[in-house]
Amino acid sequence: AQSVTQLDSQVPVFEEAPVELRCNYSSSVSVYLFWYVQYPNQGLQLLLKYLSGSTLVKGINGFEAEFNKSQTSFHLRKPSVHISDTAEYFCAVNDMFTGGGNKLTFGTGTQLKVEL
Amino acid sequence: NAGVTQTPKFQVLKTGQSMTLQCAQDMNHNSMYWYRQDPGMGLRLIYYSASEGTTDKGEVPNGYNVSRLNKREFSLRLESAAPSQTSVYFCASSEPEGQGATEAFFGQGTRLTVV
Repeated sequence: AQSVTQLDSQVPVFEEAPVELRCNYSSSVSVYLFWYVQYPNQGLQLLLKYLSGSTLVKGINGFEAEFNKSQTSFHLRKPSVHISDTAEYFCAVNDMFTGGGNKLTFGTGTQLKVEL
Repeated sequence: NAGVTQTPKFQVLKTGQSMTLQCAQDMNHNSMYWYRQDPGMGLRLIYYSASEGTTDKGEVPNGYNVSRLNKREFSLRLESAAPSQTSVYFCASSEPEGQGATEAFFGQGTRLTVV
């Protein structure tokens, strides 16, 4: 079974500073990778996804992530954060060959707190 | 543009009571899922339905049952609620593998407290 590791449970950062949220996944033949964002008391919203092709994926709100197969990583980055980016971020993996639909395995989440 | 709709949004149950969480999607997706979210544990899959008429256990199915009523609706039932089932429950839907759109769309969640 797939697993996802988000090593940082909390990341504090000042507004307009860059940020990187780390995600590592267990190796498989081929995977789909996702980053979701959850604002307080809301559901999850897709930030970006990697299915195939270019390893640098751009998402909404100025976020991007880089798929690194050799390091089995999919780190999320933003060059300049805003107060409104304060939220919890989840990395998820879908094993392409598990069959039976798109079961996602989630990491434990990283709480990004942007401070003035 | 409703997407995935869950009811109720909040619920308090006494230990031993039963209840059903409702979920409906209007995106004509084949696959639907129930997750629970607990602090420090991310989201864990309870049950899923790859297509209408099929359901399968996920990572944490004990204490739950599901019904895929039709293509739109997927309900989660707690037969005898326990305090360990206090959590936020999310329903999601997606297209199956091979259809291109593999991302999951989530509802707003149901916050359940069992006392």
